[in-house]
Amino acid sequence: AQSVTQLDSQVPVFEEAPVELRCNYSSSVSVYLFWYVQYPNQGLQLLLKYLSGSTLVESINGFEAEFNKSQTSFHLRKPSVHISDTAEYFCAVSEVSGNTPLVFGKGTRLSVIA
Amino acid sequence: DAGVIQSPRHEVTEMGQEVTLRCKPISGHDYLFWYRQTMMRGLELLIYFNNNVPIDDSGMPEDRFSAKMPNASFSTLKIQPSEPRDSAVYFCASRQGWEKLFFGSGTQLSVL
Repeated sequence: AQSVTQLDSQVPVFEEAPVELRCNYSSSVSVYLFWYVQYPNQGLQLLLKYLSGSTLVESINGFEAEFNKSQTSFHLRKPSVHISDTAEYFCAVSEVSGNTPLVFGKGTRLSVIA
Repeated sequence: DAGVIQSPRHEVTEMGQEVTLRCKPISGHDYLFWYRQTMMRGLELLIYFNNNVPIDDSGMPEDRFSAKMPNASFSTLKIQPSEPRDSAVYFCASRQGWEKLFFGSGTQLSVL
């Protein structure tokens, strides 16, 4: 079985500052990794995913995450945040071997301060 | 496509009443998931279906919870009788194979 640990439940950061949201996973098999974002009063939306190939993946709005197999991590970063990035961010993992459900972390609430 | 549609958006009920949450997945998606989100426990998977068949309901908290998927375009999650500790946001999500998971906007349930 897989598990996901998001080390920070809340991260406040000033506008235009860099941010890193940490995610570590545990699994005995190969995995796919995802970051989802939830804006207030909405469902979750896929932000980016790692399936294979380059370990650095990017989203269209400037976020990136790097898969580090040795450290079992998939941290999310953005060099300069905007007010509109205020949301809850969820890291998730699923097995490569079968069509199993995503296992989500408990989420990190990113608050961008003007 | 309009996305995953959930109804109602908000439900307020009294303890002991029956609650039914509804979900219409995206057409063509063969997987449907029900999740519950609370501050304390985060996002929990309750049950999921593949081609309308329940695959894993081990996340359903108690016998008071039941879910059905009578056809590819409709699913329900029922709580009978409801209790205050069931108060949460309930999300339905669907996907086609390995494609990304699409979430509905959720149902905010308050049991008084």
